[in-house]
Amino acid sequence: QKEVEQDPGPLSVPEGAIVSLNCTYSNSAFQYFMWYRQYSRKGPELLMYTYSSGNKEDGRFTAQVDKSSKYISLFIRDSQPSDSATYLCAMSASGGSYIPTFGRGTSLIVHP
Amino acid sequence: GAVVSQHPSWVICKSGTSVKIECRSLDFQATTMFWYRQFPKQSLMLMATSNEGSKATYEQGVEKDKFLINHASLTLSTLTVTSAHPEDSSFYICSARVGGSLLNSPLHFGNGTRLTVT
Repeated sequence: QKEVEQDPGPLSVPEGAIVSLNCTYSNSAFQYFMWYRQYSRKGPELLMYTYSSGNKEDGRFTAQVDKSSKYISLFIRDSQPSDSATYLCAMSASGGSYIPTFGRGTSLIVHP
Repeated sequence: GAVVSQHPSWVICKSGTSVKIECRSLDFQATTMFWYRQFPKQSLMLMATSNEGSKATYEQGVEKDKFLINHASLTLSTLTVTSAHPEDSSFYICSARVGGSLLNSPLHFGNGTRLTVT
């Protein structure tokens, strides 16, 4: 079992839909959780960064962490074609180097 | 705007030659930078951790003599792929923590370098 599991998709939704992207993990020591957006042929761009459990909202994006279930989510409201990209979750534990472990990414396609 | 600048964005080279990729931190100092490799539809694979003024730390299975890393200043790390072969063709991405020594600062990535070895 991989430390971080993420469905690669693709996930195809119509413009304006609410998108839910998810990751599960097995390491209970993870405390820092990140979501990155990666456009084709570009480097990942940090979208959201949260610590421990709870919700964090930034514009159309909401990150949710449920440590008891070892499950994190990213919600995108009013999705736009420009949101079409690969979304990678990442997480790290305190102590040591804090180097994050990445999921393989979910490809999202928002069609007009 | 971009906080980590990577150059070149793409490069094509012949088998047997060496290629250098530069990673610069903009407006902040990075004592540590990270080099990743990404295959199509795959996640990021950490290759090595680049430490300013000291030797890089390589992940298991990464050939340090093939992937030379130099971190000569607080704003520049370079990755040199020596004697490149077609199997080295990949997308290479560097990253750094904007928070500097704050270990729990998230990583910010450059825009990557697509290497094609013919």
